[in-house]
Amino acid sequence: NAGVTQTPKFRVLKTGQSMTLLCAQDMNHEYMYWYRQDPGMGLRLIHYSVGEGTTAKGEVPDGYNVSRLKKQNFLLGLESAAPSQTSVYFCASSYSAVGYEQYFGPGTRLTVT
Amino acid sequence: TQLLEQSPQFLSIQEGENLTVYCNSSSVFSSLQWYRQEPGEGPVLLVTVVTGGEVKKLKRLTFQFGDARKDSSLHITAAQPGDTGLYLCAGVHFNTDKLIFGTGTRLQVFP
Repeated sequence: NAGVTQTPKFRVLKTGQSMTLLCAQDMNHEYMYWYRQDPGMGLRLIHYSVGEGTTAKGEVPDGYNVSRLKKQNFLLGLESAAPSQTSVYFCASSYSAVGYEQYFGPGTRLTVT
Repeated sequence: TQLLEQSPQFLSIQEGENLTVYCNSSSVFSSLQWYRQEPGEGPVLLVTVVTGGEVKKLKRLTFQFGDARKDSSLHITAAQPGDTGLYLCAGVHFNTDKLIFGTGTRLQVFP
């Protein structure tokens, strides 16, 4: 059981470039989430999914898109990276709705120059 | 606007000391979770409290949910270097049903 995995672990982008972060979970969880973590601000929800084929906006969705084509995978895309998107990105999954334990991946550190 | 404020933001103590971390809000939460995050890793759930006034113990860690379900505290007795990490509270907002993370408390315990 790998739990929640994220690729890549580190990435440096130039302003305007695009990239996709991949999250995979092997726990058969319905719910998946993408967060960003910035110093002094805790974790902020970007987008989430309540099941295969569904996505919904979180607290800070602007500049990001997501897709959940397969139950085990949740992709986060940046179409035109900006320095304000420099952050550590975490993927998480949970068995069911809000309030259940969330299992987090190890994070992706993204720097946009 | 940050709904869940944690204090202190940073805490640096010697091994063996006791400490308390606070998680405060003006909003009511249906339940509240505490996570610990170590460097280079994602947060890991420590405990969930759901009832106002509830107290849960996990070895040397004691968690309390406020009577009005607007605040929580984490008390660590005889801290050890292995307790070092970022502690995050997260509450399910009573009205919106959304999970909101606190601002975090970074704890460093020196041997």
